Amino acid sequence: GQQVMQIPQYQHVQEGEDFTTYCNSSTTLSNIQWYKQRPGGHPVFLIQLVKSGEVKKQKRLTFQFGEAKKNSSLHITATQTTDVGTYFCAGTPTGNQFYFGTGTSLTVIP
Amino acid sequence: ETGVTQTPRHLVMGMTNKKSLKCEQHLGHNAMYWYKQSAKKPLELMFVYNFKEQTENNSVPSRFSPECPNSSHLFLHLHTLQPEDSALYLCASSQGDRAQETQYFGPGTRLLVL
Repeated sequence: GQQVMQIPQYQHVQEGEDFTTYCNSSTTLSNIQWYKQRPGGHPVFLIQLVKSGEVKKQKRLTFQFGEAKKNSSLHITATQTTDVGTYFCAGTPTGNQFYFGTGTSLTVIP
Repeated sequence: ETGVTQTPRHLVMGMTNKKSLKCEQHLGHNAMYWYKQSAKKPLELMFVYNFKEQTENNSVPSRFSPECPNSSHLFLHLHTLQPEDSALYLCASSQGDRAQETQYFGPGTRLLVL
């Protein structure tokens, strides 16, 4: 079945370092969404990408949708302790419900 | 606060118990969802309702029974659960059930089955 994979599963970074998580699908996605879940919390919507090659920025966060619409990435510049949490991508094979990725758990060491 | 509330927040039940999880959304949305989140596994979509009609059932065992009396309320009735059903159960809502809709999640019910 459809799977949306994310790598890495876990990432520990020193505060101030950059962080990137990658989302990969075996099939073309009509759109991709990113969510953040703080420890003990629930997923919160961050952004949606729809167009091939689209890049969006939110302060220190940069989101990219691949040209083939099969992959996406989230890059955080100069991480802060407030960035701690699990980042999920959620992709939609055309016409279907979307599938959440496996998530990347980010730990930021002060 | 996302406008989606869930009760109870924590639940411990035996395998022979019957319990219900409740979700309420105050966002005027038409679609509601149940997800299961287990440790080290991706969020698993269980059920989708749009305008009170079930539009998705992802091969969920019959010991989980959803109910959607109106667009604002969603229940998950639990009966004879197994220990492997212990997880965080998340409710979400969106304006419609199209794939481009943003989902707003509730805080979840953390369930432990003994």
